[in-house]
Amino acid sequence: DTGVSQNPRHKITKRGQNVTFRCDPISEHNRLYWYRQTLGQGPEFLTYFQNEAQLEKSRLLSDRFSAERPKGSFSTLEIQRTEQGDSAMYLCASGGHMNTEAFFGQGTRLTVV
Amino acid sequence: QQQVKQSPQSLIVQKGGISIINCAYENTAFDYFPWYQQFPGKGPALLIAIRPDVSEKKEGRFTISFNKSAKQFSLHIMDSQPGDSATYFCAASTDKLIFGTGTRLQVFP
Repeated sequence: DTGVSQNPRHKITKRGQNVTFRCDPISEHNRLYWYRQTLGQGPEFLTYFQNEAQLEKSRLLSDRFSAERPKGSFSTLEIQRTEQGDSAMYLCASGGHMNTEAFFGQGTRLTVV
Repeated sequence: QQQVKQSPQSLIVQKGGISIINCAYENTAFDYFPWYQQFPGKGPALLIAIRPDVSEKKEGRFTISFNKSAKQFSLHIMDSQPGDSATYFCAASTDKLIFGTGTRLQVFP
């Protein structure tokens, strides 16, 4: 499968715990995006990378959120001290050059209890 | 400036009918306009996209109409099928995608 892969698909965690999600982009895609989607809403931009450089972070991304993309390959999104409001679908997408197609993974559904 | 406004919120169409979803934007720097289809529990899937130098793009039953002066674009689904029942998102991009709020389409036989 050469699509965008996200793991885990589902995560249930207790409030206050830390969680980490992984995204493996389509190989050779140099751009990688993270989005958050809540029920009935469109995906909201969180952050994106070009290769290993994090180029932009949304104001939605509080200091409890951190994303990395070591070596410009896979990326991780970590949420520290999770809150119930963090419950959402976290989506990863990858793309080639700027303003070309971006392809999404299946997402990681986070539930904070 | 960064918003993309999408309407309607929901749409019910008879099988074989035409589904039309509209989007409007403010930021004239946007230069790439894709549409995504999303089924429950799945990630958005790229359906069709257009750049502002053309007014229309057609792929199979799906057509994007683009009006640069009005800063509006729309998705037309011809011969709508029950399998088209999904949520559709428009988006606009400079360096990142900004999504509309989505349209839930239901196609009844």
